[in-house]
Amino acid sequence: DIVMTQSPLSLSVTPGQPASISCKSSQSLLQRDGKTALYWYLQKPGQSPQLLMVEVSNRFSGVSDRFSGSGSGTDFTLQISRVEAEDVGVYYCMQSKELLTFGPGTKVEI
Amino acid sequence: QVQLQESGPGLVRPSGTLSLNCAVSNFSISSGYFWGWLRQPPGKGLEWIGTIYPSGNTFYNPSLSSRVTISLDTSTNHFSLRLTSVTAADTAIYFCARQGSGVHPDYWGHGTLVTVTS
Repeated sequence: DIVMTQSPLSLSVTPGQPASISCKSSQSLLQRDGKTALYWYLQKPGQSPQLLMVEVSNRFSGVSDRFSGSGSGTDFTLQISRVEAEDVGVYYCMQSKELLTFGPGTKVEI
Repeated sequence: QVQLQESGPGLVRPSGTLSLNCAVSNFSISSGYFWGWLRQPPGKGLEWIGTIYPSGNTFYNPSLSSRVTISLDTSTNHFSLRLTSVTAADTAIYFCARQGSGVHPDYWGHGTLVTVTS
């Protein structure tokens, strides 16, 4: 099984300041087709998860350009350039190279 | 925009069977995407349960595969989850989702809480 870890597990941020979340996988997420099967989600309080980033660095439809993703192989990062109040919630990374597994989540609060 | 809505009993007896439906709107489930179920125990993280292809082929989380069945009904544009022999550990919010070409969930339902209790 591919195990996903995240750090930190909790993050207190100041509006207008940047924030960064790390995600690591126990195996490389690079697939034979050259794509990397790493995704980011945000679950706002009381809501279902919403897709933020596709294949490491591609923002999903409607996602603010304040969000960016980077990384390769087993190490990945989600960055928020300027945190806003609406960004609070739990951020999850997920891999789909072998079945689907999620990281434990990073709780972001203001 | 595609919309998904879960429905089903909110309470299930231990050793019973959990059955949920997911109604899909504004998108045909036979149109080439995958469809899946995920769950989240209260206050905990996300767990993938299983996925069904438009062809009807399925693949399941190995930890649940002996108890899970996911099926499609293209005539009513919905898909279903069946989980047998439930215990308190199956208490969770259950989400249905459309899954894109990378098998990643891209649109999610609002979720429905299922509690296993006698």
